[in-house]
Order: sequence, then structure tokens, then C-alpha cells
Amino acid sequence: EAQVTQNPRYLITVTGKKLTVTCSQNMNHEYMSWYRQDPGLGLRQIYYSMNVEVTDKGDVPEGYKVSRKEKRNFPLILESPSPNQTSLYFCASSLGLAGPYEQYFGPGTRLTVT
Amino acid sequence: GENVEQHPSTLSVQEGDSAVIKCTYSDSASNYFPWYKQELGKRPQLIIDIRSNVGEKKDQRIAVTLNKTAKHFSLHITETQPEDSAVYFCAASMAGGGNKLTFGTGTQLKVEL
Repeated sequence: EAQVTQNPRYLITVTGKKLTVTCSQNMNHEYMSWYRQDPGLGLRQIYYSMNVEVTDKGDVPEGYKVSRKEKRNFPLILESPSPNQTSLYFCASSLGLAGPYEQYFGPGTRLTVT
Repeated sequence: GENVEQHPSTLSVQEGDSAVIKCTYSDSASNYFPWYKQELGKRPQLIIDIRSNVGEKKDQRIAVTLNKTAKHFSLHITETQPEDSAVYFCAASMAGGGNKLTFGTGTQLKVEL
């Protein structure tokens, strides 16, 4: 089944404790992206990747890191989480560089930072 | 960069009525306009999209219209049903920007029996 998976789905952590949210897609998509969703603000892009080893900042990249060592994986790293990073996070992937194309979203990760 | 505004933020309709959600975008270079539906606790899913070379697109009860001159596009849902209740997001993508999407802030649609 073609899908985007994320882990964990729920995470409660404390300020400053490094964490990684994994994202994987099995559709051989070149483009992957991370969004955060906050009430009243919609979905805002954090980072995106056009291909392996190619990543770039989105609209709200502060406090986040990403890597793209393999085509299928695009982990989101919070090296020192803070309470303002409490949010619902979605990973998405899309076919090809000659887009734009439909983006397929993962199931989401609800992060709480205390 | 691109800015997308979406209205209204909440919309309540009676079952069987039509619902219209409107979005405006700022960058005339944008050429792809998808609409996503997000049910409670679920991921956003594409319901319809339109590209700038088309003025209108329809898929059963849903349709999208695009006015490039005014830089606005709208989602129309006819004969609404309770299962249409969800949050709807519009988005815009800039030509040459790969697949970067800029989203509107969402519309909570409630279809009442």
C-alpha cells in the first residue's frame, strides 16, 4: 500500500530533550516536506527536500533540523525542544521535481513539550 | 513570498444546501491550487485541484473556480451531507518553486441535519 508513515504518533517530552520524528514514504517520491499545524494558523512549512541530500528552509524553520540521506526517509529533529514547539506535525511527500503535484500526508505526530 | 487568505473561518449550512469557501493569493506566478479536506483527527487529503490554465473544474458535488485576474479561487460543495463536515484548506503553489505549498488558515464546515 502506497503511504507516508510517521513515528511516533504521540510524544510528550520536556524542554531541552532532543527528539526525532521519523517520516518514511514508499512511493519513490522525490519531494518531501514537514509542516506544523496550529489552531487558526493552518499548515506552515518547516523544511522541505527536493531530493537526496537537498534540503531547504520553509516558512518556520527555527528550532528544527532535517536530513535526507535516503530517498524514502526524511526525519525531523528538534535538538532542544521548547514549549512553543508544541504542535501537530505532518510529513508529506510528492512526486517529482517538475511539479507541483498532489502532496500525500502522513498520519501526523502530536508533540507536547512541557 | 506567497500569502494565501481564506474565508470564512467557520461555515454552518443545512444538509442539502451549498457551501462556498473563498481564497485569495498574492503571487501572480502561482499556478497550482489544491483543496484539502481534513476530518477530525485525520490527515489532510486532496479533494480537488486546479491549474492556472483552467478556469473551472468539477468532480461530482465539488467544484473549484479560479479567477487569475483577481487572484482568487473558490471551492463549491453542492447538496452538502453530514460527511462533508470537516476542515477545508486551500493552498497555492508557485511556478518554479517545486512543490512548495502555501496554505490558507482553514475553514471549519459544519453540515447540520
